[in-house]
Amino acid sequence: GQQVMQIPQYQHVQEGEDFTTYCNSSTTLSNIQWYKQRPGGHPVFLIQLVKSGEVKKQKRLTFQFGEAKKNSSLHITATQTTDVGTYFCAGFNFNKFYFGSGTKLNVKP
Amino acid sequence: DSGVTQTPKHLITATGQRVTLRCSPRSGDLSVYWYQQSLDQGLQFLIQYYNGEERAKGNILERFSAQQFPDLHSELNLSSLELGDSALYFCASSVSGQTYEQYFGPGTRLTVT
Repeated sequence: GQQVMQIPQYQHVQEGEDFTTYCNSSTTLSNIQWYKQRPGGHPVFLIQLVKSGEVKKQKRLTFQFGEAKKNSSLHITATQTTDVGTYFCAGFNFNKFYFGSGTKLNVKP
Repeated sequence: DSGVTQTPKHLITATGQRVTLRCSPRSGDLSVYWYQQSLDQGLQFLIQYYNGEERAKGNILERFSAQQFPDLHSELNLSSLELGDSALYFCASSVSGQTYEQYFGPGTRLTVT
C-alpha cells in the first residue's frame, strides 16, 4: 500500500548549522504538504507543493518537490532554537493524506 | 489558536469502555479529518468527512467510528477500548476536501488503563 517514509528520524544540530529532512513516497503524489509540531503542540501547516520540481522558500526554509513527485525535502539554513520540533511531510493521493513518521529536530544553543 | 476546538482535553478510561471525542472545525471549513498519534509517533490518518459525508478512510479500526453532523462538528467514537488505544487524537479541518491546508485542533489525550 501507499507509504511515505521520512528520514532521518532524529537530528541534533548546533545552532547555526543547517538541517535537512527527506520524504519519499512509494507512489506518485498529487501534492505534498509540510507541517511542524512543537513539543506538546499540534501540527501547524508550513507549505504545500503541487508541481513537479517545485521549489518554495520561506525565509530560512527551502522546500522542494521532486521531478517524479515521489520525494520532497525541507532544508533549514542556519538553524535557530525556535526551529525545535518535529517536521512532518504529508503526501496526498487518492483522497487521502499519508503522513511521514516525522523528523525530530533538536537545536543546541 | 487554529480555530479548531476539541473536547475533552484529557480523558482517562478503563479497558472495554467506550468514549466520544468531539471536534468543532474552523468557521467555514467543510472538511474534518481525524488522526491518531501514539507516543513519539507519526500521525495516522483515521478518517475524513466532507460536508457530512465520509470522504476517505485510513487506518481506522472497526471498533472506531465517526460522523459529521449538519452543523459540521464531528465526533469520533472509540469502543471496546484497549491499552493500545492510548494516544493523542487530533482533529483537523480544511476549507475543502482536496488539497487545502489542514488546521489542527489541540488534540484529546486518551489514556486507557
